[in-house]
Amino acid sequence: NAGVTQTPKFRILKIGQSMTLQCTQDMNHNYMYWYRQDPGMGLKLIYYSVGAGITDKGEVPNGYNVSRSTTEDFPLRLELAAPSQTSVYFCASSYSRHWEEKLFFGSGTQLSVL
Amino acid sequence: AQSVTQPDIHITVSEGASLELRCNYSYGATPYLFWYVQSPGQGLQLLLKYFSGDTLVQGIKGFEAEFKRSQSSFNLRKPSVHWSDAAEYFCAVGPMFSGGYNKLIFGAGTRLAVHP
Repeated sequence: NAGVTQTPKFRILKIGQSMTLQCTQDMNHNYMYWYRQDPGMGLKLIYYSVGAGITDKGEVPNGYNVSRSTTEDFPLRLELAAPSQTSVYFCASSYSRHWEEKLFFGSGTQLSVL
Repeated sequence: AQSVTQPDIHITVSEGASLELRCNYSYGATPYLFWYVQSPGQGLQLLLKYFSGDTLVQGIKGFEAEFKRSQSSFNLRKPSVHWSDAAEYFCAVGPMFSGGYNKLIFGAGTRLAVHP
């Protein structure tokens, strides 16, 4: 059982480049999330989705876009990378609402924007 | 404003010693409470959670946590630490009663080092 899989694990971008962080889960969870983790800070919610075709902004959505065409996949898009987006990104999923149910996390993507 | 405070950024203990990690929250009502652990290079894993009932909750890997409403605290404890417990620990809170979007709030984390 793979759980939540994120790719790539590491990436270096130049300012202004774009990229997509991939996330897929095989637990048939309707709820999926993207978090970023900055040093010395707690996780911040970027975007979340409550099912295929439904997405919404979290706490820090600026500079990011998401889509949810299938239950399994929830990619995160950075259109114009900026140094402020240097962070570790975690994808997560849950059976029900994230504030009351266990979250399953991927192993993260470490992104540096130079 | 809603917030979670983990007062200790780094803690070092000897293997076999007891451990207590502190978590204080500021919230308008009784929240859901969680402790997650992040081992190096891994995603976060749920250790335990409190929703209601007995204020002392047991989790995986021998951890327990106690909810104290009067102190707005949810401290994590382990009676005897193992070297494999070295990791970063996150406390998180979320609303118990809500409609629409609500966020799960994470603390900044406590990094635990274990000396042999």
